[in-house]
This record gives sequence, structure tokens and C-alpha cells, in this order.
Amino acid sequence: AQSVTQLDSQVPVFEEAPVELRCNYSSSVSVYLFWYVQYPNQGLQLLLKYLSGSTLVKGINGFEAEFNKSQTSFHLRKPSVHISDTAEYFCAVENYGGSQGNLIFGKGTKLSVKP
Amino acid sequence: NAGVTQTPKFQVLKTGQSMTLQCAQDMNHEYMSWYRQDPGMGLRLIHYSVGAGITDQGEVPNGYNVSRSTTEDFPLRLLSAAPSQTSVYFCASRRTGNNYGYTFGSGTRLTVV
Repeated sequence: AQSVTQLDSQVPVFEEAPVELRCNYSSSVSVYLFWYVQYPNQGLQLLLKYLSGSTLVKGINGFEAEFNKSQTSFHLRKPSVHISDTAEYFCAVENYGGSQGNLIFGKGTKLSVKP
Repeated sequence: NAGVTQTPKFQVLKTGQSMTLQCAQDMNHEYMSWYRQDPGMGLRLIHYSVGAGITDQGEVPNGYNVSRSTTEDFPLRLLSAAPSQTSVYFCASRRTGNNYGYTFGSGTRLTVV
């Protein structure tokens, strides 16, 4: 069965510093990978996704992620964060090929950007 | 094109009451799913459907029923609400093709007292 591990439940960082939010997954088949952001009391917004092709994926708001198949990771990065990036971030994975896949989420990482 | 519409946005139930959370999409998506979100737990899959007349269980199906009589609608039923079902519920549908991905509703915040 597939699973997703977000290695840090909370990440505090100062404004304009770089940040990396880590995500590892387990799956025996090929996968699609997603990062979502959720601002307080709001719904989910897609940041970026990996379906195929280049392993470096660029998303909205200056975020990017790199798919590493050998390490089964899909870490999210931003070179310089803003106060407005304070939110909860979710990594999600879907198996594809063969039987129908479902989107499975990690438990989330709360990013707190301090001035 | 309204996307995925969830109603109601907020609901308070008493223990033992029943209710149905509504989810509708107007994009002709075959796949739809329900999640619950709890603090520190991420989103967990309750039930999903790959098309009208076909449903299956996800990770946390107990206490919930679903049916899919049309492509557009995928209601989630709580037959006898319990405080443990206090949560935020999200419905999603899946796009296929070049823009593969998921469209989420805005959520229903349910409190069971």
C-alpha cells in the first residue's frame, strides 16, 4: 500500500530565508506526486504536481519540487520565503498504472515564517 | 462551470442524528472522493467512486455511507453521528487528460456535540 511521510510537522523560518519541506513516499508502482497549500480556515490550493518528464517541477508562488525516484522523495523548496507563505503544506501521492489509484496525503507540515 | 460544490459549509449535529453532506460537480468527472481532515492527521480518504453506480471504501469508511446514482453527485451520509466525526470534510473530483489532477470543494465543517 502507498503511504506518504512528511518528515517535519512544523518548520519555523525567518522571512527571506530558504526553506525545504520534506516528503517521502512508499509505493511499489509508478506515482503521480502533488503538493498542496492550505491557508488558515481555507481549502486546498495546488502548488505543483509531477506527472512525468522533468524531475524538477516549478509551481506557483516561487515554489519548486524535485522528484527523486531512487530516494522516493519529492521535497518542496523555496529560495526566499515571505510572511504570506505561512500555511500548512501537504504532500500527496497517487499510484497509477494497473488498478485505480487514489490520492493519499501526508499529515502536513506547518510552515511558520517569522519577521 | 462551478467546479465542485459542497453544502452545507457549516453544520452542528447532536450525537445520534443523521445527515447528508452534499457534493456536486459539473465537469463530467468520473472519479469522485471524500476526505476528512483532522489536526495533525492530514486528509484521510473515506470513500471514493470511479463512476455512477460504483463506490468503494477508503482508509476510514466506518460510520459513513455513500452512493453514486449520477455522475454529478456523490453524497456522504452519516447515519448516527458521533463526536469522533467532528471534522472538516472535503469532496474532490479528478480530471483526466493533459491537465490531470484533482478539483476540491471548499469543505464542510461538521461539529458533533
